[in-house]
Amino acid sequence: RKEVEQDPGPFNVPEGATVAFNCTYSNSASQSFFWYRQDCRKEPKLLMSVYSSGNEDGRFTAQLNRASQYISLLIRDSKLSDSATYLCAVNMVHNQGGKLIFGQGTELSVKP
Amino acid sequence: DTEVTQTPKHLVMGMTNKKSLKCEQHMGHRAMYWYKQKAKKPPELMFVYSYEKLSINESVPSRFSPECPNSSLLNLHLHALQPEDSALYLCASSYGPIDTQYFGPGTRLTVL
Repeated sequence: RKEVEQDPGPFNVPEGATVAFNCTYSNSASQSFFWYRQDCRKEPKLLMSVYSSGNEDGRFTAQLNRASQYISLLIRDSKLSDSATYLCAVNMVHNQGGKLIFGQGTELSVKP
Repeated sequence: DTEVTQTPKHLVMGMTNKKSLKCEQHMGHRAMYWYKQKAKKPPELMFVYSYEKLSINESVPSRFSPECPNSSLLNLHLHALQPEDSALYLCASSYGPIDTQYFGPGTRLTVL
């Protein structure tokens, strides 16, 4: 079983749609959680950190459920510019270093 | 400022060459990372330095040799690589081991 599982998609949605991504993680000792966005041939860029209380940034809402060991990302009112690969990432401390494990990434394509 | 810089942007090398990748950050981060990313795959952790000491080596072949000369710099020395080592090599840094990791733009490596 992979440490972090994520539906690879692709998700093809029209502009204005709401789209949800989910990830599950296997290690209950995981300590911090993130969503990154990666454009083609670019580096991953932080989209949001994810907290149990949930957090929102404009059209983006992230949620962490520690009991069920999953994290989610909701994008409302999708824009063409949201087209990218979205990576969930789970971090745990190992030998005094942070070990960030990524999901496979979900490709999102927003169409006019 | 959350900038991590990497040089070179692109590198083509033969299997007998020796080359180095460089990474720099001036955010006062105490942890630095090397990741390898193949096409259509998520980044995979290679090495973690915490307070300039190697804390995680994810069983990386010895033809990859990391070095952390000071808290702002991270190098990856390459020697006798194989064509399958061709990938995007990403550097990242974070303040602490469970804090957000910020990625550099990467070095796209081709091994002939």
